[in-house]
Amino acid sequence: SYELTQPPSVSVSPGQTASITCSGDKLGNKYAFWYQQKPGQSPVLVIYQDNKRPSGIPERFSGSNSGNTATLTISGTQAMDEADYYCQAWDSSTGVFGGGTQLTVL
Amino acid sequence: QVQLVESGGGLVKPGGSLRLSCTASGFTFSDYYMSWIRQAPGKGLEWVSYISGSSTYTSYADSVKGRFTISRDNAKNSLYLQMNSLRAEDTAVYYCARQLAGGDSSSFDYWGQGTLVTVSS
Repeated sequence: SYELTQPPSVSVSPGQTASITCSGDKLGNKYAFWYQQKPGQSPVLVIYQDNKRPSGIPERFSGSNSGNTATLTISGTQAMDEADYYCQAWDSSTGVFGGGTQLTVL
Repeated sequence: QVQLVESGGGLVKPGGSLRLSCTASGFTFSDYYMSWIRQAPGKGLEWVSYISGSSTYTSYADSVKGRFTISRDNAKNSLYLQMNSLRAEDTAVYYCARQLAGGDSSSFDYWGQGTLVTVSS
């Protein structure tokens, strides 16, 4: 079965750029999606179809996808961005999530 | 505004059954694929199943295939998940989510608040 691999944790200083990677076989041939989940809350879509931002998502969130790796980039990271982030893709009509990355802003 | 409200969770014994419901409002329910996604306590997200707007297409994760059945009633703006032969590893918060489109380009653009299913003797 298809797998997506994320680093368990990423740390970033306020105002700096955070990059969270998601690796999967030929992931660049699929669309990648990213979700943010804060403690006790439901996930929120922050990037769809590799690099598109839903309405209401700040411009500091961006995405890319090429080769075997998709990347979520948060520019000028703020304390409010501290959360778990999950990548997601589809493989043979089944949804696949990465294991999640805990982003710490310190 | 789009709202998804899950219900039906609870405590059930291993081998038992449970039916989850998700009531949708704020959009034309029949126009959208819908999915169930679960999250075990302290763990990551796991996609469970989807159903197309007209119920023509369904898909299941291997972990639930043959035990869970997804369905919908568009007249009632409701999504369901019938869960049979439940196991301890099915313990999770179950979210219903709207899919922005069908196929490999679709994301989950709205999520409910989740309902907790606990499988334990």
